[in-house]
Amino acid sequence: EDQVTQSPEALRLQEGESSSLNCSYTVSGLRGLFWYRQDPGKGPEFLFTLYSAGEEKEKERLKATLTKKESFLHITAPKPEDSATYLCACQGSSNTGKLIFGQGTTLQVKP
Amino acid sequence: DTGVSQDPRHKITKRGQNVTFRCDPISEHNRLYWYRQTLGQGPEFLTYFQNEAQLEKSRLLSDRFSAERPKGSFSTLEIQRTEQGDSAMYLCASSPQGAGNTEAFFGQGTRLTVV
Repeated sequence: EDQVTQSPEALRLQEGESSSLNCSYTVSGLRGLFWYRQDPGKGPEFLFTLYSAGEEKEKERLKATLTKKESFLHITAPKPEDSATYLCACQGSSNTGKLIFGQGTTLQVKP
Repeated sequence: DTGVSQDPRHKITKRGQNVTFRCDPISEHNRLYWYRQTLGQGPEFLTYFQNEAQLEKSRLLSDRFSAERPKGSFSTLEIQRTEQGDSAMYLCASSPQGAGNTEAFFGQGTRLTVV
């Protein structure tokens, strides 16, 4: 069965303290791995898509990387406005494009 | 284009009542998805439409749930005889079909509370 697991469940950082979020997956026929940001009470906001091992994407203080078994979301010098839940999702072999989500990592950045 | 729109944003209903939610996808997107998200969990897939055809339904979707997408435009999700366990955030997403950009864009969700 396809599965996506994120760790840690929660992470508290001081402003400027860099760290990484992990997404491990066992998905047959991976077509893409997606990172979303979700603020409380709102829908997920698209961040990145990664398609193949070795691929990297960057946006401001965020950088996503992909291997054959996991993905990392690196946060460099975070600011309080980076506080949110970060969701990882995989698109498997089904050609419907449906996503299999992890449970998310809730990040809190303190000033 | 203002993105994916969902209505209402919040719904409180009594157990046993029927509720209906609406989703307006991004206009050029022919793929539409419904997900359900409970507190502290990631979204779970419910159902998928390609244009007006409902092509996949999750085993999570009981007989009390029905979804439609008439004419391949907006979609509705109806829950009959609501139960307390139906309390969740219901998210709609849309995406274009193609080999390139397959990322899904989500609406703000409908928060359902069954009392």
